[in-house]
Amino acid sequence: KAGVTQTPRYLIKTRGQQVTLSCSPISGHRSVSWYQQTPGQGLQFLFEYFSETQRNKGNFPGRFSGRQFSNSRSEMNVSTLELGDSALYLCASQLSVLSYEQYFGPGTRLTVT
Amino acid sequence: AQKITQTQPGMFVQEKEAVTLDCTYDTSDPSYGLFWYKQPSSGEMIFLIYQGSYDQQNATEGRYSLNFQKARKSANLVISASQLGDSAMYFCAMREGGSNYQLIWGAGTKLIIKP
Repeated sequence: KAGVTQTPRYLIKTRGQQVTLSCSPISGHRSVSWYQQTPGQGLQFLFEYFSETQRNKGNFPGRFSGRQFSNSRSEMNVSTLELGDSALYLCASQLSVLSYEQYFGPGTRLTVT
Repeated sequence: AQKITQTQPGMFVQEKEAVTLDCTYDTSDPSYGLFWYKQPSSGEMIFLIYQGSYDQQNATEGRYSLNFQKARKSANLVISASQLGDSAMYFCAMREGGSNYQLIWGAGTKLIIKP
């Protein structure tokens, strides 16, 4: 079974631009969560989607948004990029909201210059 | 207040020795789950082991075991017979019960296995 895939793997953007990251969960998994990882703040939860609905959202500004499609693929969007948005963005999928094991993708490393 | 505390920023361990990575947590929710993940330099988070708050026995997965001391709010990861491939960042995380399923993460411990 294929694992969680994230595209692109690396991205360089300029301040003020916007970016869209994509995550394809493991086949059959309906829950997708997004995390931001930075050296200063560590790992922080962004949001979680289940069956196209956002179930939870972390403490991030409205510039960060996401969505999930009917095939469970998810995208996250960051508008008006700031230097502090430079991070590794990790996506995780799980079978359902009740299953405890989350499987992570390789991440997208975003650099904002 | 920190909900997950990993007090060891870095550790050096000789190959084939056992290693214990510390994790303490703070929650008032009686229902919670504790996780350990490994993150190699490639960046991908690899699930290692899970312990539920109501589990009576300590979780084990191959060379990994979780030393769960509920009264002390401690969930240390023990790796037996360490291997060079165990060198990585290790993160402890918690998910509280209720409707919020997000993981709360510790700062991580960088483990380096010496040959």
